[in-house]
Amino acid sequence: AQRVTQPEKLLSVFKGAPVELKCNYSYSGSPELFWYVQYSRQRLQLLLRHISRESIKGFTADLNKGETSFHLKKPFAQEEDSAMYYCALNAGTYKYIFGTGTRLKVLA
Amino acid sequence: DAEITQSPRHKITETGRQVTLACHQTWNHNNMFWYRQDLGHGLRLIHYSYGVHDTNKGEVSDGYSVSRSNTEDLPLTLESAASSQTSVYFCASEDRVTGELFFGEGSRLTVL
Repeated sequence: AQRVTQPEKLLSVFKGAPVELKCNYSYSGSPELFWYVQYSRQRLQLLLRHISRESIKGFTADLNKGETSFHLKKPFAQEEDSAMYYCALNAGTYKYIFGTGTRLKVLA
Repeated sequence: DAEITQSPRHKITETGRQVTLACHQTWNHNNMFWYRQDLGHGLRLIHYSYGVHDTNKGEVSDGYSVSRSNTEDLPLTLESAASSQTSVYFCASEDRVTGELFFGEGSRLTVL
């Protein structure tokens, strides 16, 4: 079955500490994976996608097919990174499957 | 600038009433989606559409319906609202070139 798992509902880190938001997926095809972010009082927006292999706002995510993971990482967290983060899988046939989300709180 | 808008942003209704949430996008995207967002469940797909006159059920479609009479609009209707449908609803459209979803600002629905 197609599934996206984000094991942490809440992740609290101090400013300047490294951040890793975990995402694991289950999909038999070739996955297209994304991270979306929702800042307070704002709409969901794309943070990054695995095929572009880019770094956005200091965040990176590497697709590990062996471990079926797409963890989101940032070496030094900033207070403005506090938000809700969703990992998403494009499971073909134009359907997206989202994880349950991880709320990141960056403490001063 | 192209955009995607939802209305109303907030709605309180009573059990058993019919409610329609509007979604309008100006990107000319064929693919549109409705999700509901609930604590502990994340975003769950209600219905989706690949184009005009096409609609498909998502994982939580019971009690909801959509119609697609043009490219720009995908209204979501709750035929007989239930308290379990209290949620925040998000509409999205997809750029098929990049795979990116563009979301509306959300509609918070409370069913009393």
